[in-house]
Amino acid sequence: GIQVEQSPPDLILQEGANSTLRCNFSDSVNNLQWFHQNPWGQLINLFYIPSGTKQNGRLSATTVATERYSLLYISSSQTTDSGVYFCAVETGGFKTIFGAGTRLFVKA
Amino acid sequence: DSGVTQTPKHLITATGQRVTLRCSPRSGDLSVYWYQQSLDQGLQFLIQYYNGEERAKGNILERFSAQQFPDLHSELNLSSLELGDSALYFCASSAGDGTFQYFGAGTRLSVL
Repeated sequence: GIQVEQSPPDLILQEGANSTLRCNFSDSVNNLQWFHQNPWGQLINLFYIPSGTKQNGRLSATTVATERYSLLYISSSQTTDSGVYFCAVETGGFKTIFGAGTRLFVKA
Repeated sequence: DSGVTQTPKHLITATGQRVTLRCSPRSGDLSVYWYQQSLDQGLQFLIQYYNGEERAKGNILERFSAQQFPDLHSELNLSSLELGDSALYFCASSAGDGTFQYFGAGTRLSVL
């Protein structure tokens, strides 16, 4: 089945720093989403981005479907950005596969 | 608030027992998804329903079953529970293909 790999697995930032999270997938997908799981366990959708680039405030994402990767950019990080960031892809068989996540800690 | 409601929030039970988790999707959403999140397996897709019909099945054990009712709410039934079934179970809903999945707050199941 399709493999979804996220890097880095862990990331520690100083408040105000920028970061780039990466998601590689091993086969073509129907769609791709980025989620943030906050320290209380809640999963919050950030982007639905099967291809192209989207921006939402300090966050932006780019998916290059032909090269099978997606990037999530976080600029001017804040402590509230801490948590785990997941990318999830939907296969042709309508199954949603999550990566293992990038655990982010932003220090004040 | 995502608009997806899961009950109960916490569930503590014993091995061998059966439990039912409930999910009410966002108003108007036709698709419901169930996921299991455990420390060792991460987020695993279990099953998806679309407008009452099973659409996709993932790593769902035979001891687990689900259904989506005419009013679009869904239930996940877990039977013959084992210690390893302890996990956070999420439900998500979406309007259909090509749209966001919105997640509920989850049900934390502890099997003792």
